Amino acid sequence: GAGVSQTPSNKVTEKGKYVELRCDPISGHTALYWYRQSLGQGPEFLIYFQGTGAADDSGLPNDRFFAVRPEGSVSTLKIQRTERGDSAVYLCASSSHDQETQYFGPGTRLLVL
Amino acid sequence: SQKIEQNSEALNIQEGKTATLTCNYTNYSPAYLQWYRQDPGRGPVFLLLIRENEKEKRKERLKVTFDTTLKQSLFHITASQPADSATYLCALDRDSSASKIIFGSGTRLSIRP
Repeated sequence: GAGVSQTPSNKVTEKGKYVELRCDPISGHTALYWYRQSLGQGPEFLIYFQGTGAADDSGLPNDRFFAVRPEGSVSTLKIQRTERGDSAVYLCASSSHDQETQYFGPGTRLLVL
Repeated sequence: SQKIEQNSEALNIQEGKTATLTCNYTNYSPAYLQWYRQDPGRGPVFLLLIRENEKEKRKERLKVTFDTTLKQSLFHITASQPADSATYLCALDRDSSASKIIFGSGTRLSIRP
């Protein structure tokens, strides 16, 4: 079956611009996670959705970052006024109700110039 | 909060030998611990999960141990092959009240023919 997909695969933007990153989870998975991964580091938790609601957004670094999941399936991570330090790979993962094993997408590589 | 330590230095192993990777954690013992594999440019892929009441788990050439006294998990790949070359990430639940996970920085494994 189809896995987690993320678009775009790569995004280059200029400092100060707004970007949206999209995640399509595995069908039927109620839990969805966003992570950020810098080179040589493990994924860093950003936000977790259970259904449509953000159950835990404690990993979002500041109020420039926001994520939505309006229908409990596709999620969008939104970054306002991008900064060069936002450059990283943004990973999305989904899991079934037991929330233990997570299935990751290929990531979106964001480069802020 | 929980912290995870994985050997940041790359591990180079001769093909056919057993590779052993270490994951140490601080603070409380997690309810479970997971190992993921990550190839360059890809998202992590789940390999194995071991629960706090399990000492050892096996899957084909993979073996994971979990020592709650030492606060350590060992990940073994027997009869290693060049195709096993990747970064291996340890992950465990983020805090005692949540089922969301945090990741170590990973250990890069290289199997030479």
